[in-house]
Amino acid sequence: KNQVEQSPQSLIILEGKNCTLQCNYTVSPFSNLRWYKQDTGRGPVSLTIMTFSENTKSNGRYTATLDADTKQSSLHITASQLSDSASYICVVQGWGNQFYFGTGTSLTVIP
Amino acid sequence: ETGVTQTPRHLVMGMTNKKSLKCEQHLGHNAMYWYKQSAKKPLELMFVYNFKEQTENNSVPSRFSPECPNSSHLFLHLHTLQPEDSALYLCASSQDAGTSGRLGYNEQFFGPGTRLTVL
Repeated sequence: KNQVEQSPQSLIILEGKNCTLQCNYTVSPFSNLRWYKQDTGRGPVSLTIMTFSENTKSNGRYTATLDADTKQSSLHITASQLSDSASYICVVQGWGNQFYFGTGTSLTVIP
Repeated sequence: ETGVTQTPRHLVMGMTNKKSLKCEQHLGHNAMYWYKQSAKKPLELMFVYNFKEQTENNSVPSRFSPECPNSSHLFLHLHTLQPEDSALYLCASSQDAGTSGRLGYNEQFFGPGTRLTVL
């Protein structure tokens, strides 16, 4: 069964600290993996997209990694800011038009 | 703003009402999507339109009826909904290859969503 699981479900960190979010998937065949940030009451915004041949991709303070062998991805946030408080969603695209979404990690950054 | 707008932002309707959700993208994309986002659940892809042609219908009940009159506009017509249909409905668009290409590879841009409550 094609699934995407994210952990932790929620996370609270102090402003300025780093954190890492996890995404494990069982989707096969695999096309690409994306991380989205969704602020409360808004649509998701793409952070990164990686194919199976890419191990890491950065977008400012966000760095995503992908291990296609173990089917794991992580999103590392450096020097967190209050504006990083949001839900982070991992999405895996299989072959064709099949998208598999994780339930997201809710991140709260406190001062 | 992402270039994808949705109206209305909030909608409350009874089970016997008929309403429509509207999505418009100003990005020149050729593919548009409807998603449903329920609390504590992953986003669910409902419909996909590529070059105005519907290419995906993920077992969505017939009380949801999509319409794509052109590549910039997408509607979701609602009738006789159930309380469990209450959710955030998100529209997205992307620039994708033609029918021979793999849809959805390029970045999808999402609208802000319509928060739907069915009483």
